[in-house]
Amino acid sequence: EPEVTQTPSHQVTQMGQEVILRCVPISNHLYFYWYRQILGQKVEFLVSFYNNEISEKSEIFDDQFSVERPDGSNFTLKIRSTKLEDSAMYFCASSERAGINYGYTFGSGTRLTVV
Amino acid sequence: RKEVEQDPGPFNVPEGATVAFNCTYSNSASQSFFWYRQDCRKEPKLLMSVYSSGNEDGRFTAQLNRASQYISLLIRDSKLSDSATYLCVVNILSNDYKLSFGAGTTVTVRA
Repeated sequence: EPEVTQTPSHQVTQMGQEVILRCVPISNHLYFYWYRQILGQKVEFLVSFYNNEISEKSEIFDDQFSVERPDGSNFTLKIRSTKLEDSAMYFCASSERAGINYGYTFGSGTRLTVV
Repeated sequence: RKEVEQDPGPFNVPEGATVAFNCTYSNSASQSFFWYRQDCRKEPKLLMSVYSSGNEDGRFTAQLNRASQYISLLIRDSKLSDSATYLCVVNILSNDYKLSFGAGTTVTVRA
């Protein structure tokens, strides 16, 4: 079964450092997403990406965050200057289409720990 | 008011039991509804979409009540492997790209 691949599985970084989280979506999918889940809390939408541009972003996705699709396969989330409160599980997801009744496929996540 | 609200549980049930729980959503423009399953510290996995007429997938039955703005999930003949957190997920028509998640309902099936 096709899957969304995320690397690394766990990243520890010092506060103020930049991190890049990487994702390889399913090859024929056109819509890409980042979500995060702080430990013990609900999954929260960060950003969606389609046709090489951001489709929608949440209030969490401020100027410290950026996304990029540098080539035909990778989809990255960059946090420019990490804060303690950025510690969370970050999930990448992709879908073939957007809209009614289309669920996503999530990657296994990157656990980001900011110290 | 939260976009999606769930009873956090936990629901502790013996193997073979039936367990059911609901989720309410606040935005009447919501169009797509899903149940995802999340195991501890793992990614959410799509369990089933929820259709207006209600739908069944094996031991799992989902219902949608648009008038009261809630969806439900019923698990029959519970297995130990059903132990997980069940996430109610809603997509709002005006935001095709974004899913709103509930905080989850924890189900523990005991032998």
